[in-house]
Amino acid sequence: GQQVKQSSPSLTVQEGGISILNCDYENDMFDYFAWYKKYPDNSPTLLISVRSNVDKREDGRLTVFLNKSGKHFSLHITASQPEDTAVYLCAAGPQQGTGSKLSFGKGAKLTVSP
Amino acid sequence: GGIITQTPKFLIGQEGQKLTLKCQQNFNHDTMYWYRQDSGKGLRLIYYSITENDLQKGDLSEGYDASREKKSSFSLTVTSAQKNEMAVFLCASSVDRGPSGNTLYFGEGSRLIVV
Repeated sequence: GQQVKQSSPSLTVQEGGISILNCDYENDMFDYFAWYKKYPDNSPTLLISVRSNVDKREDGRLTVFLNKSGKHFSLHITASQPEDTAVYLCAAGPQQGTGSKLSFGKGAKLTVSP
Repeated sequence: GGIITQTPKFLIGQEGQKLTLKCQQNFNHDTMYWYRQDSGKGLRLIYYSITENDLQKGDLSEGYDASREKKSSFSLTVTSAQKNEMAVFLCASSVDRGPSGNTLYFGEGSRLIVV
């Protein structure tokens, strides 16, 4: 079965609002969690990541929240801009060392309307 | 910086044909990956390799072969192309050590078309 799940395939947010993207995972051994951003006809690129020793990481307008007991992590984008419109893929995996072997969610399309 | 180059960008083949996709990276990364991207299904790992001549199966390895000929290159072969295999194939690499070790760097993708 799918190890990483994004239950909402799409989200529309007004410019300036907060975008919240959610991800659930199944494997207790996962301790690295990431969000990738993908524009149409482009490859995914890493947006932000967090390890399991913290439950929150901020980077500018982006914050990742990690809830290990609930096997859930989320991405919050504050002051959303039209250029944030893209597909967001969550990913999770075990500690590095023998190949990152990330499992990806199906992706969620975020549309930020002006 | 570095770059991952996938060739060809489009690969058209007939049903039953053996087809090969190639990937080169100049990051000097240890690990390379092949993912398959289907609409509505996200990315699924086919094969990965942690060093030259190493090969590890992912979740979707059946019907595929791979080869890590040297550190910088990783090829993927569809052993018998089927129409339900039409998808975008993404190559990636990672350094696997240090603070950004888990970060995957992706190529631009190769689209497989089976006629």
